[in-house]
Amino acid sequence: AQSVTQPDARVTVSEGASLQLRCKYSYSATPYLFWYVQYPRQGLQMLLKYYSGDPVVQGVNGFEAEFSKSDSSFHLRKASVHWSDSAVYFCAVSLSSNTDKVVFGTGTRLQVSP
Amino acid sequence: DPKIIQKPKYLVAVTGSEKILICEQYLGHNAMYWYRQSAKKPLEFMFSYSYQKLMDNQTASSRFQPQSSKKNHLDLQITALKPDDSATYFCASSLRDSYAEQFFGPGTRLTVL
Repeated sequence: AQSVTQPDARVTVSEGASLQLRCKYSYSATPYLFWYVQYPRQGLQMLLKYYSGDPVVQGVNGFEAEFSKSDSSFHLRKASVHWSDSAVYFCAVSLSSNTDKVVFGTGTRLQVSP
Repeated sequence: DPKIIQKPKYLVAVTGSEKILICEQYLGHNAMYWYRQSAKKPLEFMFSYSYQKLMDNQTASSRFQPQSSKKNHLDLQITALKPDDSATYFCASSLRDSYAEQFFGPGTRLTVL
């Protein structure tokens, strides 16, 4: 069955430090891959997406993610985090271009400390 | 202006009652979805609709019934409410068949007493 794993439930980093949030998926084919962010008391917003091409994709607010087929991963990175990046981050996958069903990971809660 | 409207923002219900959660999107999208978020399951897909037709249903219970009266509306009727139904329910929409992101509404927080 298709699945998405975010192994870290919580991550704490200092403001200005670099960040990596991990995501691994389990599919036989390369899925469509997404990262979403959920700020407190809000719905989710997409940060970036990937299907093909350059394995490093750029998103909003300085975020990027790197796809690795060999590792079945799609890790999210940011060079220097800001306190406003504190939120819950969800990795998501879809097996087709029609978004009838997107499978979300369990989320990683990021806390940026001053 | 909000592009996806969910009403109400907060809802308290008693066990056994019935409630309807409202969702309207003004993004011109042709696909709409419902998700549930709780402490037990961070984000759980429930339904997807495209052109007002049910495409996927991952909700085991028939107590949850989506209702689409217009292309940009997808309400969620929940009957015989249980305390375990307490969660935040998110509506989302997208352009189907276009590898598009889903846009989420602000959610309805339901508490069942």
